[in-house]
Amino acid sequence: QKEVEQNSGPLSVPEGAIASLNCTYSDRGSQSFFWYRQYSGKSPELIMFIYSNGDKEDGRFTAQLNKASQYVSLLIRDSQPSDSATYLCAASMDSNYQLIWGAGTKLIIKP
Amino acid sequence: SQTIHQWPATLVQPVGSPLSLECTVEGTSNPNLYWYRQAAGRGLQLLFYSVGIGQISSEVPQNLSASRPQDRQFILSSKKLLLSDSGFYLCAWSTWDFGTPLHFGNGTRLTVT
Repeated sequence: QKEVEQNSGPLSVPEGAIASLNCTYSDRGSQSFFWYRQYSGKSPELIMFIYSNGDKEDGRFTAQLNKASQYVSLLIRDSQPSDSATYLCAASMDSNYQLIWGAGTKLIIKP
Repeated sequence: SQTIHQWPATLVQPVGSPLSLECTVEGTSNPNLYWYRQAAGRGLQLLFYSVGIGQISSEVPQNLSASRPQDRQFILSSKKLLLSDSGFYLCAWSTWDFGTPLHFGNGTRLTVT
């Protein structure tokens, strides 16, 4: 069964530090990877997507992909209390319109 | 720019009553459309997806159904709600090609009493 695994947390990080969120996936055919942020009671919001091995930076966010290790991560620099949310990792399925979703990691940024 | 509208935002319905949730997308043509459900504190469960008008793929056998009467309209229905149907229902769209991100509506919080 194709899966995306995430540590459920909560992950507690002091304000201003780097938050590191990790995700592993089982489908070697996955080509696209996505990070979503979901505040409590709200819908998921796309933060970043990455298709190629290496790093992709967007403001305070950096996504990292290692296809050989089937590993995706999201780094949040200069963490703010407003970054406190659940972060969902998703991977595309080979030749399919669906995404495989992780259960999410709850991140808490402590002032 | 593309926008997705989903309504209502909250809904309280008695067991055995019908359900109709509607979702529309603006600013794009021929989108892929999705219905997800999220139980409290849980991950996303794909219920249905559609790659075109009248085409529906069902992922979870249950008492829910979906329809796509127009290119940018997606409807989730039930003839008789069960208590287990309570949850957060999310409509999403993506472009037609593989491996593109999903964009979610604001969701409908359904409570079946």
